[in-house]
Amino acid sequence: AQKVTQAQTEISVVEKEDVTLDCVYETRDTTYYLFWYKQPPSGELVFLIRRNSFDEQNEISGRYSWNFQKSTSSFNFTITASQVVDSAVYFCALSEGRRGFQKLVFGTGTRLLVSP
Amino acid sequence: GAGVSQSPSNKVTEKGKDVELRCDPISGHTALYWYRQSLGQGLEFLIYFQGNSAPDKSGLPSDRFSAERTGGSVSTLTIQRTQQEDSAVYLCASSLGLAGDDTQYFGPGTRLTVL
Repeated sequence: AQKVTQAQTEISVVEKEDVTLDCVYETRDTTYYLFWYKQPPSGELVFLIRRNSFDEQNEISGRYSWNFQKSTSSFNFTITASQVVDSAVYFCALSEGRRGFQKLVFGTGTRLLVSP
Repeated sequence: GAGVSQSPSNKVTEKGKDVELRCDPISGHTALYWYRQSLGQGLEFLIYFQGNSAPDKSGLPSDRFSAERTGGSVSTLTIQRTQQEDSAVYLCASSLGLAGDDTQYFGPGTRLTVL
């Protein structure tokens, strides 16, 4: 069965600190996809990144970077020089890609609080 | 372009009443998903529509829940005889429906409160 674990319930940092959000997943499939979504106080889930299981290359987008390691089944998300606007709940999610139907299995989320 | 829209944004109802929640997917997206977000259960999948195929209802929690999608576009989630445990945020997502690497884009959700 698929499972996503986000062990960090809440993280508090001060602006400009770097912060890493952990995500560990379980799946029996060799083909799968990993996602990160951001949920700001407004409530809407905002897509951040998608990664497929065959691409372990790390990715950087501005202040965001992602570290995908199949050996440890982890897909961690780092925010560099955090800002108050980064305050949100961040969800890691997994889907299996064998079929067209790809329900997302979400972790429980990590609430990030960035104070000025 | 326009994103996924949902209505109403908030719905308060009394226990035992029926409610209908609406989702308008992104134009051109053939796949549509409903999820539920509650404090106790987190984010959980409810139902999936892809084009004209029969929906996958494997996530619906009881037979009081049903959904339809008309003309391959707008979807309505219906909850009959609402219970207090149905209180949650109901999220709709749509995607291109590609076989494989596909991304779901979410709407703002409908917050349902059952008194």
